[in-house]
Amino acid sequence: EPEVTQTPSHQVTQMGQEVILRCVPISNHLYFYWYRQILGQKVEFLVSFYNNEISEKSEIFDDQFSVERPDGSNFTLKIRSTKLEDSAMYFCASSDRVSNNGYTFGSGTRLTVV
Amino acid sequence: GQNIDQPTEMTATEGAIVQINCTYQTSGFNGLFWYQQHAGEAPTFLSYNVLDGLEEKGRFSSFLSRSKGYSYLLLKELQMKDSASYLCAVSSFSGGYNKLIFGAGTRLAVHP
Repeated sequence: EPEVTQTPSHQVTQMGQEVILRCVPISNHLYFYWYRQILGQKVEFLVSFYNNEISEKSEIFDDQFSVERPDGSNFTLKIRSTKLEDSAMYFCASSDRVSNNGYTFGSGTRLTVV
Repeated sequence: GQNIDQPTEMTATEGAIVQINCTYQTSGFNGLFWYQQHAGEAPTFLSYNVLDGLEEKGRFSSFLSRSKGYSYLLLKELQMKDSASYLCAVSSFSGGYNKLIFGAGTRLAVHP
């Protein structure tokens, strides 16, 4: 069964540093998403991406965040200057369209900012 | 605004049936999903409803009433491995695109 792959599984970084979280969506999917989940809290929408541009972003997705699809297979989330409150699980997801199978989530990257 | 409510915690006995309710108020409703999430792992798809009624898939069933903004997930013949969080998520269509909006999840504990 096709998978969404995320790397790394766990990243520890110092406050103020830049991090790049990587995702390889399912190859024939067209819509890509980043969600985050702070420990003990709900899964929150960050951004959606289609046709090489952002289609929608949430209030959380401020100027510190950016996304890119650099080579047609990878989909990356960059946090320019990490803050302690950026510590969370970050999930990448992809979909071809809303169907009975919906969105496929990656296994997540646990980001710890110290 | 967008609002999804579900109970925080539930407990049930192995072999029993449990119903997890979800109420929602969202714009651009385009279907409702239920996901299972074990601690530290990604959400995994359980069910999808876009029309009113009951969808059955093995031990799991999901119901939707769009007029009431209500859904439930029914788990039968509970097993210990069903102990997890169950996330109600609404697909919201806006500006030509969909996104998922999640509830806070219901943590289910199944005991012997």
